[in-house]
Amino acid sequence: GAVVSQHPSRVICKSGTSVKIECRSLDFQATTMFWYRQFPKKSLMLMATSNEGSKATYEQGVEKDKFLINHASLTLSTLTVTSAHPEDSSFYICSASYRDGTYEQYFGPGTRLTVT
Amino acid sequence: AQSVSQHNHHVILSEAASLELGCNYSYGGTVNLFWYVQYPGQHLQLLLKYFSGDPLVKGIKGFEAEFIKSKFSFNLRKPSVQWSDTAEYFCAVPRWGKLIFGQGTELSVKP
Repeated sequence: GAVVSQHPSRVICKSGTSVKIECRSLDFQATTMFWYRQFPKKSLMLMATSNEGSKATYEQGVEKDKFLINHASLTLSTLTVTSAHPEDSSFYICSASYRDGTYEQYFGPGTRLTVT
Repeated sequence: AQSVSQHNHHVILSEAASLELGCNYSYGGTVNLFWYVQYPGQHLQLLLKYFSGDPLVKGIKGFEAEFIKSKFSFNLRKPSVQWSDTAEYFCAVPRWGKLIFGQGTELSVKP
């Protein structure tokens, strides 16, 4: 149980365009979803935390107008990278948790974004 | 600053060698602790977690970790590694509704 999917797994886009990444909890209702960015040989950098039906909380230094997060339902959150630039190329990972007191997060497989 | 530290950035072992990966945290109070693993090309998955009780926690695939409160440590161990243990290992502490990750340790096991 506790499976999280992401779509697409890989995406290549041109500079200046926008890209949407979906994160779904397949077999549970996720009260909270998280979006991370992972650089090669680096740890995960938390970008934002989103709770269903409310605005996302962004980490310091993350541009909320560039990385739009929507958590419209208990099973779906989306990250839209607007006006993407080559420096936005990265591995984006989502995770989800539910309110069981364990703080455990269940991670998606990640999305490789390449901006040309 | 409050943080989670993994001092080993890259560990290289031969098969059957014993493994110990360090994790130290600097938070006070009640602490919950996680170890996650990321196999090449795969998503992060939970290896084991500590919440309370026995400080020696056993996880999947023969891994275990010991919570030593006096040392603020939660080191990951495995008595005999396999080539399939090659992966990135992350220690994490939940704080303020999110997980604070260590820098990660890359483990390479030579067959």
